[in-house]
Amino acid sequence: AQSVAQPEDQVNVAEGNPLTVKCTYSVSGNPYLFWYVQYPNRGLQFLLKYITGDNLVKGSYGFEAEFNKSQTSFHLKKPSALVSDSALYFCAVRDPWTYKYIFGTGTRLKVLA
Amino acid sequence: GAVVSQHPSRVICKSGTSVKIECRSLDFQATTMFWYRQFPKQSLMLMATSNEGSKATYEQGVEKDKFLINHASLTLSTLTVTSAHPEDSSFYICRAEPTANTGELFFGEGSRLTVL
Repeated sequence: AQSVAQPEDQVNVAEGNPLTVKCTYSVSGNPYLFWYVQYPNRGLQFLLKYITGDNLVKGSYGFEAEFNKSQTSFHLKKPSALVSDSALYFCAVRDPWTYKYIFGTGTRLKVLA
Repeated sequence: GAVVSQHPSRVICKSGTSVKIECRSLDFQATTMFWYRQFPKQSLMLMATSNEGSKATYEQGVEKDKFLINHASLTLSTLTVTSAHPEDSSFYICRAEPTANTGELFFGEGSRLTVL
């Protein structure tokens, strides 16, 4: 079955330190991969996407993600975390066969001052 | 970027009443709109997919008579929670898909429903 896994419910990081939010997927074919951020009581905001090309994708607010086909991963990274980055982050995959989007369970990022 | 407006952002209602949530695509036409429900500390659960001018397609386990979806125009879809009960309390999020799909997803701001 097609799935997306975010193995960490919560990630804590000190302000100024690098952060990584993990995502792995199980989708046959070449999926589209996305990261979205959600602030409290708000909808999801687009951060970045990978469709094809360079494995390192740069997105909004200084975030980037690296597509690793052999490990079927698409981890979100940022070199230096800000307190304002604290939010809920969702990884999503578009199934190339059904065109349906599959969302991970979300990872809550807390950046500590 | 494309803007999706969802209204109301918060609503509190009494048990047994019906509540309507609107989702509008402000600067693009959306042939398809999606409605999600999000439980606390959980991911988005797709409830239904609506195409303009046709009946919505509901996901398994979602009561279509409970959650009425109307997509009467290319810029507006509505979700009506009928005879709401406390267990319907949740955060509801809509997503509008442009006719020319770029792969990016456009979500509304969400609506928090509290049923007393």
